[in-house]
Amino acid sequence: DAGITQSPRHKVTETGTPVTLRCHQTENHRYMYWYRQDPGHGLRLIHYSYGVKDTDKGEVSDGYSVSRSKTEDFLLTLESATSSQTSVYFCAISGSIYDEQYFGPGTRLTVT
Amino acid sequence: AQKVTQAQTEISVVEKEDVTLDCVYETRDTTYYLFWYKQPPSGELVFLIRRNSFDEQNEISGRYSWNFQKSTSSFNFTITASQVVDSAVYFCALSEVVTGNQFYFGTGTSLTVIP
Repeated sequence: DAGITQSPRHKVTETGTPVTLRCHQTENHRYMYWYRQDPGHGLRLIHYSYGVKDTDKGEVSDGYSVSRSKTEDFLLTLESATSSQTSVYFCAISGSIYDEQYFGPGTRLTVT
Repeated sequence: AQKVTQAQTEISVVEKEDVTLDCVYETRDTTYYLFWYKQPPSGELVFLIRRNSFDEQNEISGRYSWNFQKSTSSFNFTITASQVVDSAVYFCALSEVVTGNQFYFGTGTSLTVIP
């Protein structure tokens, strides 16, 4: 299994508070991704990174920011959480843009 | 418009039956990649297969087989002689790498195999 961890695994927070989710990999893969999974929508790409300090937006990037200061870490920040951001968040990694992605275990975020 | 459509929301089959999961995609790229992932009840996402747009050969891996047809923009997945352990949500995904690096998942098909 690819070495991908996500922290925290569960979080409950209040509307309006900032939240940061962390993805850590030990595979030295260049690409890292953040997705959210919601019933009826499958997985939707939020942001991805193609190298240290290189990031780009996905399909549903509004309300989210990301940072990648090291190859192994990719942070997802909700500057001011809203109830619509209640979801399961998955991090994924891949060696190149053409490769399959390997997913972390997910983080369940509830915004009350 | 959905880039990846999995019209079958839920399917139930009896163990040992064959089942086909449909996936239809939409892209203007000439180079793209298609994937299938499995999400068992435990929640993790497991990679099953990757196919690039230039390779239309069907693939078989044990009880699993995939049929890629560019003419109909479909990438269907068949499980032969289904087993209870096949019960999961299956996602089809599309990677576009020419017009922009974007990745799209279908909404998934929930497969239940009844013993």
